Amino acid sequence: DAKTTQPPSMDCAEGRAANLPCNHSTISGNEYVYWYRQIHSQGPQYIIHGLKNNETNEMASLIITEDRKSSTLILPHATLRDTAVYYCIVRVNNAGNMLTFGGGTRLMVKP
Amino acid sequence: EAQVTQNPRYLITVTGKKLTVTCSQNMNHEYMSWYRQDPGLGLRQIYYSMNVEVTDKGDVPEGYKVSRKEKRNFPLILESPSPNQTSLYFCASSLWGPGMAEAFFGQGTRLTVV
Repeated sequence: DAKTTQPPSMDCAEGRAANLPCNHSTISGNEYVYWYRQIHSQGPQYIIHGLKNNETNEMASLIITEDRKSSTLILPHATLRDTAVYYCIVRVNNAGNMLTFGGGTRLMVKP
Repeated sequence: EAQVTQNPRYLITVTGKKLTVTCSQNMNHEYMSWYRQDPGLGLRQIYYSMNVEVTDKGDVPEGYKVSRKEKRNFPLILESPSPNQTSLYFCASSLWGPGMAEAFFGQGTRLTVV
């Protein structure tokens, strides 16, 4: 699986959009980009995933650059409950289901 | 409600006393796995199972055993716990195969071995 690079921490004002970047410059053509988050010490929670098209669901939007070497997770209106560690994971869908978690980005949403 | 249930949530035990942490999922998922999380080391996979009676080692399997006799259950067994197994443990499940999307995680088991 390709390695990802994320900033260790970010701040965001409550109600504003939170844009979390992820660099995956060595991604290969059949690897997907997944985002999970972990609130305090709870179990990680799936957010969204995509291959090359931008994706949106009720939680977030995922923007993948055309060359697929980086992506951005967007939380459109961050709330205090979005304070968490966000993990960007790149993996192949049919090569086993192991998720390799890196250091992630600690997002702090402030009032 | 779709969920992965771990028990117990908290456990303090003594070195060498065998223990089992249970994990159960109600989504008929083929794939289940165990992770441990330690400060500065992130989440690391211990064991995983692709289906009933099929298990394999993850990144840090030493000192652990698992079994998959039923599809819904995937217990983690520590035959002789040691203090270095003090950690936060998570069980996860998902569908298996191409197109697999999200993994569901349990709420965690905080284990302390003294």
